[in-house]
Amino acid sequence: EVQLVESGGGLVQPGGSLRLSCAASGFTFSDHAMHWVRQAPGKGLDFVSAISSNGVSTYYANSVKGRFTISRDNFNNALYLQMGSLRVEDMALYYCARGGTYSRDAFDIWGPGTMVTVSS
Amino acid sequence: QSLLTQPPSLSAAPGQKVTISCSGSGSNIGNSYVSWYQQLPGTAPELLIYDNNERPSGIPDRFSGSKSGTSATLGITGLQTGDEADYYCATWDSSFSAWVFGGGTRLTVL
Repeated sequence: EVQLVESGGGLVQPGGSLRLSCAASGFTFSDHAMHWVRQAPGKGLDFVSAISSNGVSTYYANSVKGRFTISRDNFNNALYLQMGSLRVEDMALYYCARGGTYSRDAFDIWGPGTMVTVSS
Repeated sequence: QSLLTQPPSLSAAPGQKVTISCSGSGSNIGNSYVSWYQQLPGTAPELLIYDNNERPSGIPDRFSGSKSGTSATLGITGLQTGDEADYYCATWDSSFSAWVFGGGTRLTVL
């Protein structure tokens, strides 16, 4: 079964750091670009970051550029998001999503998400 | 404030047809493919349409997509109560070198 499962969310103080992980299974991970998308409570979807299948190219939303770093481990089928200088407005459910199956611009598999709470 | 504008909410009766609009600009919809997602309450989004008008396997043909200029539209025919969800458009924006989502449309099937 094709599956993505996020982990690493939790409560962190403003200014703190957190590392999210996304474990992939059921498909050839190294064939796909991967994305992080977040959703603040009661709000819409918000693109955070993406990484190409080989990890060479990375993309970031302006709101996280310089604070978040995306990476991947194709040997262990894992995607990561290192988050630093966290702000209250970063509080959200963070999803990892698979790209490139049907189109570069379509995310066809999503995990259930991991919640990041930023509060003092 | 999203770069892609969607109506916040729509409602329609079971069996009816509804269209959801997504308006952007030349740096996003005007030059990129549009995808659409359905998010049922309490669940992760699901891909409904990719490359403007293509359906992934398993998505019924009640769902359709189109694009014209800097706007895109999602159509749903034969509305069912199970179609009550939030719907999002998304595309690549070349000015920001990032993907962008619309603000979402909450569809109520009365």
